[in-house]
Amino acid sequence: GAGVSQSPSNKVTEKGKDVELRCDPISGHTALYWYRQSLGQGLEFLIYFQGNSAPDKSGLPSDRFSAERTGGSVSTLTIQRTQQEDSAVYLCASSLATQAEQYFGPGTRLTVT
Amino acid sequence: EDQVTQSPEALRLQEGESSSLNCSYTVSGLRGLFWYRQDPGKGPEFLFTLYSAGEEKEKERLKATLTKKESFLHITAPKPEDSATYLCAVQVGTGFQKLVFGTGTRLLVSP
Repeated sequence: GAGVSQSPSNKVTEKGKDVELRCDPISGHTALYWYRQSLGQGLEFLIYFQGNSAPDKSGLPSDRFSAERTGGSVSTLTIQRTQQEDSAVYLCASSLATQAEQYFGPGTRLTVT
Repeated sequence: EDQVTQSPEALRLQEGESSSLNCSYTVSGLRGLFWYRQDPGKGPEFLFTLYSAGEEKEKERLKATLTKKESFLHITAPKPEDSATYLCAVQVGTGFQKLVFGTGTRLLVSP
């Protein structure tokens, strides 16, 4: 079946602009996660959704970052007033609520110039 | 603070030369340990989950083992297509499945 999809695959933006990154989870997966992967660093947890609610937003690095999920499916990660340090690969994952395995999408590579 | 350390950072093997990758962890209450494979430009691909010390899982040329402080990913007679970055992650906390990742081991298998 179809895996996790993310769009766009690449995004280049100017410093100060807002960007939206999209994630389509595996059908039927109720849990959805956002991670960030910077060069030379491990994956960094950003936020988690169970259904449409986000019980844990502790990983969001600043108030410029926000995320929402609608219809228990698609999620959007929004970064306002982008900074160069926001440049990274943003990865989305989903899982069945009762299972531990998280399945990842291909990621969105964000470059802030 | 929950920490995951992987070693070595990079490993170069000849085809057929078996070896092991290490993942050591310090966490407050391990709920599970995960191994993923990541190819360049792609998202991590799930390999194994281990839940308790002494547990072992195998898939083709890979075998993962778990102790109370570390996990090993054993690669037997590797092939060039096994070249990738191998990531270790631990599941911590309660109520949801936050993963804390190590920085990975880059494996290159030469023919």
